Amino acid sequence: AQKVTQAQTEISVVEKEDVTLDCVYETRDTTYYLFWYKQPPSGELVFLIRRNSFDEQNEISGRYSWNFQKSTSSFNFTITASQVVDSAVYFCASLSGGYQKVTFGTGTKLQVIP
Amino acid sequence: GAGVSQSPRYKVTKRGQDVALRCDPISGHVSLYWYRQALGQGPEFLTYFNYEAQQDKSGLPNDRFSAERPEGSISTLTIQRTEQRDSAMYRCASSAWTGDAYEQYFGPGTRLTVT
Repeated sequence: AQKVTQAQTEISVVEKEDVTLDCVYETRDTTYYLFWYKQPPSGELVFLIRRNSFDEQNEISGRYSWNFQKSTSSFNFTITASQVVDSAVYFCASLSGGYQKVTFGTGTKLQVIP
Repeated sequence: GAGVSQSPRYKVTKRGQDVALRCDPISGHVSLYWYRQALGQGPEFLTYFNYEAQQDKSGLPNDRFSAERPEGSISTLTIQRTEQRDSAMYRCASSAWTGDAYEQYFGPGTRLTVT
């Protein structure tokens, strides 16, 4: 069974600060996938990234970066120079290889203050 | 192109009534998923289909919940004899192919309130 823990319930930062959202996962599988989704105040769920368990290379997309470390079972998400539009709830999620149901964490609510 | 659509966006119903929630996946997407999201929580898996076949319904809470996708496109999640605890956001997602390697794209959800 998969489990995803997002220990940070809410984070507030001032605009232009960097912020890291933590995600710890549990799995007994050797093949699995990890995801981040954004849920802005409007309510939709927006896909941000997917990583598979065989690729620990970090990824950068604009102001977003992701740090995947199997040694600590973590898949952390950093927003550089945060903006008010980054205010949202961010969900980390996992999926076991060979299955199709995604397990979500409880989410971290990020508030960026202007 | 058009994303996943769901209707209605909001549904208020009285306890004991049946409700049907509709999901229209992204055109051509063969896999379709239903999740339920309680306030302040992440989405929780209910069931999914590959084409018209229901592959896993282990997340359906009880036998009042059912889902179908008869032609492999639009899906309906039906809740019979609704109870107040059924109040939640019901989300549908679709992915381009079967299997684990394809990201799921979510619809806007249906907010169900049972009074």
